[in-house]
Amino acid sequence: DARVTQTPRHKVTEMGQEVTMRCQPILGHNTVFWYRQTMMQGLELLAYFRNRAPLDDSGMPKDRFSAEMPDATLATLKIQPSEPRDSAVYFCASGPRFSDGLGEQYFGPGTRLTVT
Amino acid sequence: AQSVTQLGSHVSVSEGALVLLRCNYSSSVPPYLFWYVQYPNQGLQLLLKYTSAATLVKGINGFEAEFKKSETSFHLTKPSAHMSDAAEYFCAVSVVNAGGTSYGKLTFGQGTILTVHP
Repeated sequence: DARVTQTPRHKVTEMGQEVTMRCQPILGHNTVFWYRQTMMQGLELLAYFRNRAPLDDSGMPKDRFSAEMPDATLATLKIQPSEPRDSAVYFCASGPRFSDGLGEQYFGPGTRLTVT
Repeated sequence: AQSVTQLGSHVSVSEGALVLLRCNYSSSVPPYLFWYVQYPNQGLQLLLKYTSAATLVKGINGFEAEFKKSETSFHLTKPSAHMSDAAEYFCAVSVVNAGGTSYGKLTFGQGTILTVHP
């Protein structure tokens, strides 16, 4: 049963610290999405990649957030420095190759980030 | 640009009653539409999708949705609610850029929380 995996599942950190979240997309999927979910804003798209190339990161605060795909099996989202307003659940999702243009996405379980 | 609007942030039904969650879309091109479900402390899960093959789409767990172009709607229904259906449901539309291509990006609605009472 192929799944998107995310680590860590929970992260508590102090303001100003660097946070790195990792995602392993489903093998063979060629699109990767990073979302942030909060009660106030709902689900927000931060960035997404196709064939490891960034297509759109306009949803991310550029000064502190960065997203990369070092290889096809790993996507990372970094926050440096972190702030309390970054507290949220961060989801990674991947999309299968045949679904290009269709929008079928498979979500990971999320990383719950708390910045104090 | 494509968008979806979910009518009602909270819906409450009794176990065994009909479930109806409303979604209206806006799109200048034929849309691809989706319903996703999120159970507590989990990621979103694809429930069903409309990709122009058939207007009545059946999904998992007994849910179905009907695409109505004249009403720009894609409402989600289930004949008989079960306690395990309690979750948040998101309607989504696939985003097509100015060039007419899409890479699977979605625009999500604000979500509807479904509560099922015994």
